[in-house]
Amino acid sequence: IAGITQAPTSQILAAGRRMTLRCTQDMRHNAMYWYRQDLGLGLRLIHYSNTAGTTGKGEVPDGYSVSRANTDDFPLTLASAVPSQTSVYFCASTPEGGGGAGNEQFFGPGTRLTVL
Amino acid sequence: GQNIDQPTEMTATEGAIVQINCTYQTSGFNGLFWYQQHAGEAPTFLSYNVLDGLEEKGRFSSFLSRSKGYSYLLLKELQMKDSASYLCAVIDSNYQLIWGAGTKLIIKP
Repeated sequence: IAGITQAPTSQILAAGRRMTLRCTQDMRHNAMYWYRQDLGLGLRLIHYSNTAGTTGKGEVPDGYSVSRANTDDFPLTLASAVPSQTSVYFCASTPEGGGGAGNEQFFGPGTRLTVL
Repeated sequence: GQNIDQPTEMTATEGAIVQINCTYQTSGFNGLFWYQQHAGEAPTFLSYNVLDGLEEKGRFSSFLSRSKGYSYLLLKELQMKDSASYLCAVIDSNYQLIWGAGTKLIIKP
């Protein structure tokens, strides 16, 4: 079934630990995105990639890193987790970077992360 | 700064009509999306507007006025399954997507 998968579904993590959230899509979309969603704040962009081999910083990139070695995978790494990174993390993709008709974002099911 | 405003919460009755407003102040405009998000789930695409006017898609319609920085999502013949959050998002001049905080819609029987 075409779409985006994320792993893990949820995780409880001790502060200071390193964690990688996985994201894989099989739609051959060029652009991929990582968001965090916190109550009352809406979706905030962490990092994005318009095509394999390139990445860019979003609104809230500090404490996070990404890589885009191929079209399908876009992992997000927390080098040393802090409690303020407790959130729901969504990965998304679009056929191309930027906006436009037919370029709506497809979202993965999300990862609920708690940092203690 | 860039800003998108939506009501935090709205309540409506099953079978009725509800209008969810979105006003935006962004650096440029290259389109506006509406997404639906059920509790505990991912957002899903509802509509896209880039020109002024009304786009109708079944029970859902979306309106845009670029001169007023304003959009609304109109939901007709409300069903209980329409209980969800509705997110407005604007594409700015840098083709970045700016998200509103969402409107939680509660449907009562």
